[in-house]
Amino acid sequence: QKEVEQNSGPLSVPEGAIASLNCTYSDRGSQSFFWYRQYSGKSPELIMFIYSNGDKEDGRFTAQLNKASQYVSLLIRDSQPSDSATYLCAVESGGFKTIFGAGTRLFVKA
Amino acid sequence: DVKVTQSSRYLVKRTGEKVFLECVQDMDHENMFWYRQDPGLGLRLIYFSYDVKMKEKGDIPEGYSVSREKKERFSLILESASTNQTSMYLCASTPGQRHYEQYFGPGTRLTVT
Repeated sequence: QKEVEQNSGPLSVPEGAIASLNCTYSDRGSQSFFWYRQYSGKSPELIMFIYSNGDKEDGRFTAQLNKASQYVSLLIRDSQPSDSATYLCAVESGGFKTIFGAGTRLFVKA
Repeated sequence: DVKVTQSSRYLVKRTGEKVFLECVQDMDHENMFWYRQDPGLGLRLIYFSYDVKMKEKGDIPEGYSVSREKKERFSLILESASTNQTSMYLCASTPGQRHYEQYFGPGTRLTVT
């Protein structure tokens, strides 16, 4: 059974701090990795994707991938209260399938 | 922008009823998916379709069926609703060449009593 594991949180950080969200996955063959943000009562929204080892930056967001350790992370710099949401890690599983983690709840305190 | 719409935001049905959930996307995407989302379990794939009239089982297809007669529309059918099918149902679509970058509809909160 292919799995994606995330700490459920909540992760609480003060406004302006860096929030670090982590994810591990079990399928060594996975090639594509995604972070979705889900506000309470809303549907998930794709915010980052990464295919290669290393870092990928987009504004205040940085995705980090380490395939050898089967580890993906999302850093949010200068966290804002509007970043408070659940962040879902997702990993492609082959054959059009994506495996989602259960999500980490982030709370940014003003 | 991709727009994925679902027929209802909230739905209440009785045990044993046949339930239809509809999803429509307007970006000519080849691939469409149905998930359910439950607290602590994340998103679980029920069925997906990569072309008109084509369908594939996901991880939890039992008790569900799907229909895709037109490219833009993907329907989820609960043949005989049960209380353990109370959940949030999310539809998603993706373009053929980037089939892992999913665009979700607003979701349908289904309650089966």
